[in-house]
Amino acid sequence: DSGVTQTPKHLITATGQRVTLRCSPRSGDLSVYWYQQSLDQGLQFLIHYYNGEERAKGNILERFSAQQFPDLHSELNLSSLELGDSALYFCASSRGQGSIQPQHFGDGTRLSIL
Amino acid sequence: AQSVTQPDIHITVSEGASLELRCNYSYGATPYLFWYVQSPGQGLQLLLKYFSGDTLVQGIKGFEAEFKRSQSSFNLRKPSVHWSDAAEYFCAFNQAGTALIFGKGTTLSVSS
Repeated sequence: DSGVTQTPKHLITATGQRVTLRCSPRSGDLSVYWYQQSLDQGLQFLIHYYNGEERAKGNILERFSAQQFPDLHSELNLSSLELGDSALYFCASSRGQGSIQPQHFGDGTRLSIL
Repeated sequence: AQSVTQPDIHITVSEGASLELRCNYSYGATPYLFWYVQSPGQGLQLLLKYFSGDTLVQGIKGFEAEFKRSQSSFNLRKPSVHWSDAAEYFCAFNQAGTALIFGKGTTLSVSS
């Protein structure tokens, strides 16, 4: 158990809809990262938050957004969903920003778009 | 461009045999290097990491990896594979505190 909790584990929805994925980091971790894992693209970094502030963006679509709340949990919002958004979405957390502490991953949310 | 290459998409090893999974990185400086393992339906579990110092690092589950700067490689090894090691293995690197850049992964199958 990594200590990172992601909910829900599975999500099935239709094209055009909007969903919210939730992540609770390990106790004491201030950084939250979101990654997308798909068969064609592999594991790709989406966005990084540190202590409530956005720190870096990767290959994140404009239809996607995220935030980190004062209690440090994070949410990834996906809107106007397309078939190609079907993927496994991982959250990871680490102690700080600019530290050498490794990232610890949750079990992911599997998103299926019908 | 920064990248990680795992040349082997799929490897099959007999139970009890040794294992080596290859990883090469492309980066201007010495990166922080990691190996993660993903079992079906599971998240990624950190096996080991290299930041600096001794180039041979020990990890969990009997795995080790060797950093070779001259070859830009960070290969993962295990002397004797168990059936429970069947999974997908990812090599990754980053600069401290930034996003991980992953390889495409190597799927390990273990035959009896």
